[in-house]
Amino acid sequence: DVKVTQSSRYLVKRTGEKVFLECVQDMDHENMFWYRQDPGLGLRLIYFSYDVKMKEKGDIPEGYSVSREKKERFSLILESASTNQTSMYLCASSSGQGGDQPQHFGDGTRLSIL
Amino acid sequence: ILNVEQSPQSLHVQEGDSTNFTCSFPSSNFYALHWYRWETAKSPEALFVMTLNGDEKKKGRISATLNTKEGYSYLYIKGSQPEDSATYLCASMEGYNNNDMRFGAGTRLTVKP
Repeated sequence: DVKVTQSSRYLVKRTGEKVFLECVQDMDHENMFWYRQDPGLGLRLIYFSYDVKMKEKGDIPEGYSVSREKKERFSLILESASTNQTSMYLCASSSGQGGDQPQHFGDGTRLSIL
Repeated sequence: ILNVEQSPQSLHVQEGDSTNFTCSFPSSNFYALHWYRWETAKSPEALFVMTLNGDEKKKGRISATLNTKEGYSYLYIKGSQPEDSATYLCASMEGYNNNDMRFGAGTRLTVKP
């Protein structure tokens, strides 16, 4: 079975801290994604990676960066956390080059910035 | 940027009822339409990926149709069960690139026993 694992289910950090959210997939997928989900809004793409060391900005990349040093791992970094980054963060992966393959999601990390 | 709309926002039905909800999306440059089920405290789970106009897919009691010319997809659940309670998300892809996928806000379904 496909497995996407996010390092934490719940995380509480302080304003100004550097925050790392980790995601690992075991399916040898090329594509990995980071989304955030806020009430009343659809999932919004922060960053996407289609290969090791490759990344592309999504709709809301400001205040975030990513790292993909190995195919199975995609990290989201909040350079200097702010309260408006309090949200649910979801990681996903998929195979193939186009969008006709389903995405496989992790359980999400609920991040609170105080 | 695509605007993907889902309706209704929430829905309460009795066990045994059949139900359906809608996902509408801009039809220009359409590439694929995804449906996901997201149960509380779990990860979103893929239900269907549809690409062709007129496509109809089925998985148990759940089925979906796609109309790319008018820009909508319906998700149907026949004989709803309490375990169908979840948020159902659709996402539309405009173009070939993976970062062109846009999610709707979801339809939250509650099935009462």
